[in-house]
Amino acid sequence: QSALTQPPSASGSPGQSVTISCTGTSSDVGGYNYVSWFQQHPGKAPKLMIYEVSKRPSGVPDRFSGSKSGNTASLTVSGLQAEDEADYYCSSYAGNRIWVFGGGTKLTVL
Amino acid sequence: EVQLVESGGGLVQPGGSLRLSCAASGFTISSNGMSWVRQAPGKGLVWVSRINNDGSGTSYADSVKGRFTISRDNAQNTLYLQMNSLRAEDTAVYYCAGDHNYAFDYWGRGTLLTVSS
Repeated sequence: QSALTQPPSASGSPGQSVTISCTGTSSDVGGYNYVSWFQQHPGKAPKLMIYEVSKRPSGVPDRFSGSKSGNTASLTVSGLQAEDEADYYCSSYAGNRIWVFGGGTKLTVL
Repeated sequence: EVQLVESGGGLVQPGGSLRLSCAASGFTISSNGMSWVRQAPGKGLVWVSRINNDGSGTSYADSVKGRFTISRDNAQNTLYLQMNSLRAEDTAVYYCAGDHNYAFDYWGRGTLLTVSS
């Protein structure tokens, strides 16, 4: 049950695109198409932004997209806006009814 | 509107016990798997435990296995987490979350547990 690996920080200017990676193993990210991404603003609960690698829940802007290659999943935020500044966490199902999260990435909009 | 409201957090001495509750409204917990996820101060999210929709299956992170017990009362639409043998490293905000398609799509606002003497 090791945490998934995310870069601690990422940044971009308004209007730019930024991609956050999430690296696991063949037992979690690489083994299942059940990777999710969450946005968390300070003092708030996490919000689901992407599920099943690339699907967006209703109400999430299409500026947010997800993908996966092998044991690494990625979240891309296009057309960065000030309100996108937050912490982002990936999560993956790891089999046997176990889930694992990444350590989180602080996204700064410059 | 879906609401999950956690309660029961507080200050507990090491070795003590506490039970957290998560009351749901606008959302039937019997239709979903439910999990507890925690976040230590200034740290990331950590999955703690899950129970399936009818309560027949439970799972735990290694760090809490044998000390924590997840349960649910579908009639009361409430999720619980019984925590025993608490340690300082269990200090965190505890969130309850409902899952669908292996993703946590509904979250409560969390309740803070502090384990300290």
